[in-house]
Amino acid sequence: ETGVTQTPRHLVMGMTNKKSLKCEQHLGHNAMYWYKQSAKKPLELMFVYNFKEQTENNSVPSRFSPECPNSSHLFLHLHTLQPEDSALYLCASSQGWGGYEQFFGPGTRLTVL
Amino acid sequence: KQEVTQIPAALSVPEGENLVLNCSFTDSAIYNLQWFRQDPGKGLTSLLLIQSSQREQTSGRLNASLDKSSGRSTLYIAASQPGDSATYLCAVAPQGGSEKLVFGKGTKLTVNP
Repeated sequence: ETGVTQTPRHLVMGMTNKKSLKCEQHLGHNAMYWYKQSAKKPLELMFVYNFKEQTENNSVPSRFSPECPNSSHLFLHLHTLQPEDSALYLCASSQGWGGYEQFFGPGTRLTVL
Repeated sequence: KQEVTQIPAALSVPEGENLVLNCSFTDSAIYNLQWFRQDPGKGLTSLLLIQSSQREQTSGRLNASLDKSSGRSTLYIAASQPGDSATYLCAVAPQGGSEKLVFGKGTKLTVNP
């Protein structure tokens, strides 16, 4: 595997379910990100981790819970989501902090029923 | 608050045409500007990154320019091909070392054979 991978690629869940999104980067980067892309809206940054430490939480509701066990892996734990949370969730990584180029994964298409 | 605007929202051209995509931003205090390509339902592919001290970057048939003082960037695509059909996103990294990229909504490009 190369680059940034995300699993699953598609996920359908009910509002009472608990699920997790996984992201893995094979680039040796130290910073990882979660973004949300909704229809007709710009990409929204959700969380940033730099060297496994969370450095940004962009006022994201607590029903989204990130986890970064190491610099190569990032998870987004989901629980009691709302239909308006349906979106494409993108993971990205970069070499470090301070304007480095970001590389994106293919995304997870989430549908909340 | 930094805002990024991309005009037009959609563009349709015949194959072989040279074209320009526009990006404008409200705050000239940026660290860098990045152009991405996104195919339907997929993640983002980084095309070009221009540091704030640079005026342009080139990669193959793509040329991106940056005029920081006027808050503008253009992406020039030479000799367009049907495979160039995608949504092109512009994002700026604010000055100060923040990784919080601010994205435009994108320009959806269709190149007709």
